[in-house]
Amino acid sequence: GAVVSQHPSWVICKSGTSVKIECRSLDFQATTMFWYRQFPKQSLMLMATSNEGSKATYEQGVEKDKFLINHASLTLSTLTVTSAHPEDSSFYICSATNRGGTYEQYFGPGTRLTVT
Amino acid sequence: AQSVTQPDIHITVSEGASLELRCNYSYGATPYLFWYVQSPGQGLQLLLKYFSGDTLVQGIKGFEAEFKRSQSSFNLRKPSVHWSDAAEYFCAVGDRGNAGKSTFGDGTTLTVKP
Repeated sequence: GAVVSQHPSWVICKSGTSVKIECRSLDFQATTMFWYRQFPKQSLMLMATSNEGSKATYEQGVEKDKFLINHASLTLSTLTVTSAHPEDSSFYICSATNRGGTYEQYFGPGTRLTVT
Repeated sequence: AQSVTQPDIHITVSEGASLELRCNYSYGATPYLFWYVQSPGQGLQLLLKYFSGDTLVQGIKGFEAEFKRSQSSFNLRKPSVHWSDAAEYFCAVGDRGNAGKSTFGDGTTLTVKP
């Protein structure tokens, strides 16, 4: 149980285009979902916290207009990287906490974004 | 604000040897504490967690960790390392008052020598 999926697992896009990454909790309802960014050989950097039906809370320094987060349901959150540039290339990981459970986070497998 | 320090960037141990990865945290109250493992290009797998109760926590793959409040530490241990344990290990502290929002340490890379 407590499986989180991400789609796509990897994506290559051209500079200036937008790309959407989906994060789904497959067998539980997620009260909260988190979006992280990870550079090679570095730790996870929290980008934003997403609650179902409300606006995402972004961490300091994260451009909310560039990284659009939508949490449309208790099982789906999306991250859209708008007008992507090569510096946005990174590994994006989502996690979800179980509604009514403890605050343990369940992580998705990550999405590798490469902007050319 | 909460923070996590993993003092060892890289550790190398021989297969079969014991392992201890250090983690120190800063948090105003009793924290949620986690250890995760990450293989290259993969997501994070939870090894073990501490929420309350017994300070010695058992996890998967033979790992354990001990919460020491007086030292603000949550060190990860394994008595005998296997070559498949080579990976990146992250310690994290979760905020009880903020839906478990977690702060991660910088990670420790474990290399296992044959």
